[in-house]
Amino acid sequence: DQQVKQNSPSLSVQEGRISILNCDYTNSMFDYFLWYKKYPAEGPTFLISISSIKDKNEDGRFTVFLNKSAKHLSLHIVPSQPGDSAVYFCAASATGTASKLTFGTGTRLQVTL
Amino acid sequence: GAVVSQHPSRVICKSGTSVKIECRSLDFQATTMFWYRQFPKKSLMLMATSNEGSKATYEQGVEKDKFLINHASLTLSTLTVTSAHPEDSSFYICSAGLTGVLDTQYFGPGTRLTVL
Repeated sequence: DQQVKQNSPSLSVQEGRISILNCDYTNSMFDYFLWYKKYPAEGPTFLISISSIKDKNEDGRFTVFLNKSAKHLSLHIVPSQPGDSAVYFCAASATGTASKLTFGTGTRLQVTL
Repeated sequence: GAVVSQHPSRVICKSGTSVKIECRSLDFQATTMFWYRQFPKKSLMLMATSNEGSKATYEQGVEKDKFLINHASLTLSTLTVTSAHPEDSSFYICSAGLTGVLDTQYFGPGTRLTVL
């Protein structure tokens, strides 16, 4: 039962354009969401997070949007850079679960020149 | 800050042997660490929650006698894969949260285990 889903396994974007990565979840108990970036054979690197009391959080080129009613979040990267090419995972946790993270299946982003 | 290390980064062992993987929080104390496993082109699957000074909490379907976890101090957790078999070959990743700010976890670089 995949509670966090990233339906696009891959995405290709031109350098300078906006990258939009999507994530859907089914568990209404999730109240904290995170995005991680991962290179092959490395651990995930934390990018940005958002609490369910917000609908937007911005950090530099990265913005995360949360639509609770749709149980949907997205990560916007603008402008996209070649160094952004990696696999992006969204993750979710629920208060009272000792911060256990449930990860999505990942989206491989390729930023082309 | 918030650096997590893992050792070894890569290990190859024979079937039937045991392998120990260390996870350290280098610049912060972590009362809770997490162990994940990632299969090729798959998501990270939480295996267990490692609690300093107490027994680990295992996720459903994870054999606690197979994957021994010890969290001896606030900066070190170890995962021992006992009597390893080829199907245990995987990428194992640990994470730790800052004490009091548990929601953001910081991950180690991972350990690639290959069992021959």
